[in-house]
Amino acid sequence: EAQVTQNPRYLITVTGKKLTVTCSQNMNHEYMSWYRQDPGLGLRQIYYSMNVEVTDKGDVPEGYKVSRKEKRNFPLILESPSPNQTSLYFCASRGTGSREQFFGPGTRLTVL
Amino acid sequence: AQKVTQAQTEISVVEKEDVTLDCVYETRDTTYYLFWYKQPPSGELVFLIRRNSFDEQNEISGRYSWNFQKSTSSFNFTITASQVVDSAVYFCALPNTGFQKLVFGTGTRLLVSP
Repeated sequence: EAQVTQNPRYLITVTGKKLTVTCSQNMNHEYMSWYRQDPGLGLRQIYYSMNVEVTDKGDVPEGYKVSRKEKRNFPLILESPSPNQTSLYFCASRGTGSREQFFGPGTRLTVL
Repeated sequence: AQKVTQAQTEISVVEKEDVTLDCVYETRDTTYYLFWYKQPPSGELVFLIRRNSFDEQNEISGRYSWNFQKSTSSFNFTITASQVVDSAVYFCALPNTGFQKLVFGTGTRLLVSP
């Protein structure tokens, strides 16, 4: 089954404790991205990657890092999480030339 | 830059009522796509429709219908005979030029009461 998976689905952590949210897709898609969703703001892009070793900032990249060492994986790293990063995070993937975007199930992160 | 406006923050209806969710967009692209997603209380994003700007025909899928009007830059979504299971947040979205991202509206929360 074609899918985008994210782990963990729920996470409660404390300020400053480094964490990684994993994202994996099984569709051989070149393009992957991360969004965060906040009340009243919709979804905003954090980072995206056009292919392996190619990443770029989205609209709200501050406080986040990403890497794309393999085509299928695109982890989101919070080196020093802060309470304002409490949010619902979505990973997405898309094949080059395709208009169909696949979203993961979301990761609900709470930073205390 | 692309922009999507969903002016209705929250709508409450009673079951079996019809309801229309508004979406107004801005783009300088001559060809573009528009999307609608549903986010139920469980939180996942459910794809509803993708519409090419070349095709202005209205689309109907069961109780759902979409009215695309380029003249007013609108892509409105109507649910006929709403049901409690339609309660969700609905997002309208538009890709940026080059499709590096989807630009989302702020969403409309629909509450359908029995």
